[in-house]
Amino acid sequence: DSGVTQTPKHLITATGQRVTLRCSPRSGDLSVYWYQQSLDQGLQFLIQYYNGEERAKGNILERFSAQQFPDLHSELNLSSLELGDSALYFCASSVGGRGPQNTEAFFGQGTRLTVV
Amino acid sequence: AQKITQTQPGMFVQEKEAVTLDCTYDTSDPSYGLFWYKQPSSGEMIFLIYQGSYDQQNATEGRYSLNFQKARKSANLVISASQLGDSAMYFCAMREGMDSSYKLIFGSGTRLLVRP
Repeated sequence: DSGVTQTPKHLITATGQRVTLRCSPRSGDLSVYWYQQSLDQGLQFLIQYYNGEERAKGNILERFSAQQFPDLHSELNLSSLELGDSALYFCASSVGGRGPQNTEAFFGQGTRLTVV
Repeated sequence: AQKITQTQPGMFVQEKEAVTLDCTYDTSDPSYGLFWYKQPSSGEMIFLIYQGSYDQQNATEGRYSLNFQKARKSANLVISASQLGDSAMYFCAMREGMDSSYKLIFGSGTRLLVRP
């Protein structure tokens, strides 16, 4: 058990709909990261939050947004869903901050999203 | 250009033997970190080992060791005494820089199958 909790584990929804994926980081970790794993694109970094602030952005579509709350949990919102958004969405957490202490990032079990 | 290259889409190894999974990387940043993750068929991403660019010694974690050759820009994972439970996808990843951003760039993965 990595200590990172993602809910739900599975989600099936229709095209055009909106869903919210939730992530609780490991105790003490300030950074949360979202990744998308699809068969054609592999593992892609989406976005990072550090202590409530957006810190880095990757290949995240405009239809997607995220936020990190004061209790450090994070939510990834996916809207106007398309078939191609079907993927495994991972959340990861780490201590964060500057410097060499960031030697680990622990991943949650992922949310498998299927858009039909 | 590919930042992380894993040239072995699939590999077989006999139980109890050692196996090396290849990873080469490309960066001009002097500060970077290299990671290996294991993804079993259940889908979760399991952190295995980390190597920092300034680390003098090769990283080891139990049966996992990282053969870090900086000049050749390679970070191969060595699994000793393979077990059936080692059958999984293995991903090499890189983090550039030492700021608070933790954007991991992943390779395409190597599927390892351990034969009894």
